[in-house]
Amino acid sequence: DAKTTQPTSMDCAEGRAANLPCNHSTISGNEYVYWYRQIHSQGPQYIIHGLKNNETNEMASLIITEDRKSSTLILPHATLRDTAVYYCIVRVRGTGTASKLTFGTGTRLQVTL
Amino acid sequence: EAGVTQFPSHSVIEKGQTVTLRCDPISGHDNLYWYRRVMGKEIKFLLHFVKESKQDESGMPNNRFLAERTGGTYSTLKVQPAELEDSGVYFCASSQAGGPTDTQYFGPGTRLTVL
Repeated sequence: DAKTTQPTSMDCAEGRAANLPCNHSTISGNEYVYWYRQIHSQGPQYIIHGLKNNETNEMASLIITEDRKSSTLILPHATLRDTAVYYCIVRVRGTGTASKLTFGTGTRLQVTL
Repeated sequence: EAGVTQFPSHSVIEKGQTVTLRCDPISGHDNLYWYRRVMGKEIKFLLHFVKESKQDESGMPNNRFLAERTGGTYSTLKVQPAELEDSGVYFCASSQAGGPTDTQYFGPGTRLTVL
């Protein structure tokens, strides 16, 4: 799986949008971009994933550049409960066989009042 | 729908003892994964079951770790004998089979402390 690079930490004021960047310059055409987060000591929580088009769900939006070498996770209105470590993961698209997730160090997002 | 559950939530044992962790995946999920995070390190993959078969066990650290998934439902991860470096949080995840992607849903983890 391709390696990803994320900032170690970021701060965001409550109510503002949190934009978390991720570089994955060696991504292959058959690899998806996944985002998970881990709140405190809970299990990782799935947020969103995409291949090349921008995606949006009830939690966040995912913006993938046209060359697919980087992406941004957007939390439109961050709350204190969004304080967590966010992981950007590039993963081979399954062809019927599921595959593991390779976690990096992630970005620690601190949402403040 | 119930999520992935893990038991126990915490376990404290002495070096040399045996511990068995249990994971109950989301009902109907054929794929079951074990991961762990040891102190100060990243979350690392251990192994992957498809139903009762081991699809990928490349992350298992050594032969003191034994994972089973009899009947393709719940799974157990046994550590025997436990060593100090086995301390950490063990996560289980599950996903449905098939399709171009599969989303893994994680349990809350079991915190293992080996003294």
